[in-house]
Amino acid sequence: GAGVSQSPSNKVTEKGKDVELRCDPISGHTALYWYRQSLGQGLEFLIYFQGNSAPDKSGLPSDRFSAERTGGSVSTLTIQRTQQEDSAVYLCASSPYQDYGYTFGSGTRLTVV
Amino acid sequence: QKEVEQDPGPLSVPEGAIVSLNCTYSNSAFQYFMWYRQYSRKGPELLMYTYSSGNKEDGRFTAQVDKSSKYISLFIRDSQPSDSATYLCAMSRGAGGSYIPTFGRGTSLIVHP
Repeated sequence: GAGVSQSPSNKVTEKGKDVELRCDPISGHTALYWYRQSLGQGLEFLIYFQGNSAPDKSGLPSDRFSAERTGGSVSTLTIQRTQQEDSAVYLCASSPYQDYGYTFGSGTRLTVV
Repeated sequence: QKEVEQDPGPLSVPEGAIVSLNCTYSNSAFQYFMWYRQYSRKGPELLMYTYSSGNKEDGRFTAQVDKSSKYISLFIRDSQPSDSATYLCAMSRGAGGSYIPTFGRGTSLIVHP
């Protein structure tokens, strides 16, 4: 596609439910990143994929968070047993190489009520 | 002290003004420096990407890196209302460290007609 596509754009979920966020990167981009942006905060790194493997998942805040990438393309970020503090905008980015600027998607705005 | 410091603003200027946006950092290992622009409810968009010290110009935008002072700047000439957005600086160590950037919290810029 022309850009990084994320779905859904908005998600409201009840505390304790699981959610899945999807990222479709730019075709051919081998590197894929997930970030979280909370109100008034900077971008918080979550996980980095190179192809289908995740050499750096140091930013995942707890074991309730997991992510996978298949076919070197689409990635899914899963949050289990959501908590109110998980409410944020989840941004996905991709790049052709790791030493190159990112292209971000528009994000998924997650609200946990 | 955060690794990357950025004044959140808001910075309000009249149309046509020269805007100066700045970040300071504490990690002398940073080698790659980036500026992103983020409009409301959109993902960040890469504006400038520079390596090591020096200046880089692209249209109305100039990025400046002073590694000796651990200080980076983004200048916007002839600012327009369409430049109103949040500007995020980011930096990474690159080879031998990590290419995953650390972001500042962003500076909100308002250009009024």
